[in-house]
Amino acid sequence: SYVLTQPPSVSVAPGETARVSCGANNIGSTGVHWYQQKPGQAPILVVYDDSDRPSGIPERFSGSSSENTATLIISRVEAGDEANYYCQVWDGSRDYPVLFGGGTKLTVL
Amino acid sequence: EVQLVESGGGLVKPGGSLRLSCTASGFSFTNAWMTWVRQAPGRGLEWVGHVESRVDGGTTGYAAPVKGRFTISREDSKNTLFLQMNSLKSEDTAVYFCATVGLTGGWMFDSWGQGTRVTVSS
Repeated sequence: SYVLTQPPSVSVAPGETARVSCGANNIGSTGVHWYQQKPGQAPILVVYDDSDRPSGIPERFSGSSSENTATLIISRVEAGDEANYYCQVWDGSRDYPVLFGGGTKLTVL
Repeated sequence: EVQLVESGGGLVKPGGSLRLSCTASGFSFTNAWMTWVRQAPGRGLEWVGHVESRVDGGTTGYAAPVKGRFTISREDSKNTLFLQMNSLKSEDTAVYFCATVGLTGGWMFDSWGQGTRVTVSS
């Protein structure tokens, strides 16, 4: 079955760049979306269609995608970026079109 | 400003039923595709299902674990989305979020409600 694979955790020092990966076979052929979720809060969309940013999301958040891996990139990491991050795809060719990755806990050291 | 407010959560016994509601404002609900996503305690996000706008056909889609037990519907005149949950199991215990699907186009979930908690336990 199709699975989006994320590392359980990523740690980075303030001011550094964090990279969160999302792997799947041929993920580069579909748009990947990223969500930030802090404890007790609803998720918010931070990157969509691999690398676009919704209004109100800082430019420090960006993304990239290649054949089998999509990556969320957070530049100049701040303490407030500490959260769980989830990737998501919608593939209309599948019986169950929506899939989330398992989530990555970003820890700011 | 887009606002989504879920309600209807609570404690229900295994095998029971519950109907969740999601009241929307701040956008054209009639033209929006909508989705439900849940999160079990300490776990990640899990897609539950979606409903297209009526103009696009109003088709629904469901995740495998809930197909045949859950039904998504909408009442556009009241800007309200529903999730009817039947034959509930302990593994359905979760916070349930409603969200919009690509209000400006695309397949992302761009606005979310705060969620409503469902606990299935005897």
